[in-house]
Amino acid sequence: EVQLVESGGGLVQPGGSLRLSCAASGFTFSSYEMNWVRQAPGKGLEWVSYISSSGSTIYYADSVKGRFTISRDNAKNSLYLQMNSLRAEDTAVYYCARFYNTAIVMDVWGKGTTVTVSS
Amino acid sequence: QTVVTQEPSFSVSPGGTVTLTCGLSSGSVSTSYYPSWYQQTPGQAPRTLIYSTNTRSSGVPDRFSGSILGNKAALTITGAQADDESDYYCVLYMGSGILVFGGGTKLTVL
Repeated sequence: EVQLVESGGGLVQPGGSLRLSCAASGFTFSSYEMNWVRQAPGKGLEWVSYISSSGSTIYYADSVKGRFTISRDNAKNSLYLQMNSLRAEDTAVYYCARFYNTAIVMDVWGKGTTVTVSS
Repeated sequence: QTVVTQEPSFSVSPGGTVTLTCGLSSGSVSTSYYPSWYQQTPGQAPRTLIYSTNTRSSGVPDRFSGSILGNKAALTITGAQADDESDYYCVLYMGSGILVFGGGTKLTVL
């Protein structure tokens, strides 16, 4: 079964850091590009970051540029999101999503992990 | 800054047909934006419905269809059912790995 499982969410103070992980299974992780998408409480979905299959190409939304770092370890079938200088507005459920680049679609989603930034 | 626009809310009667749209604050949506559509119910992860304008994802009923209508992408639900009551999001591809979500449409079936 194709599956993505996020972990690492929690409560963190403003200005703090957190590292999210996404474990992939059931497919050849190293062949796929990946994305992080988030959803603030009661709000819509927001694309956060993209990483190519090799990790050589990376993009970020302006809202997180300079604070968040996406990375992957293909040997461990894992995707990561290092989040620094966290703000209250970063409070959200964070989803990892597989990107099927031939069709330009996020075709597999994890269930998400919740990040709360609060003092 | 590119803004992807969607109707905030829509309602449809059971068995009825509804068309949700996805536009741009400036310009027209074309197939070059590879519009995709996602369904989300409260507390759940998004589910992929439509990609590349009009291709249904695996397992998606054929009552869901995608198209370009005028200058917007469109998601049409034909024969709406109670469990279609969800939030629907469109996504447009801006190139260079950048994806932009619309604000979402809350669909009520009543």
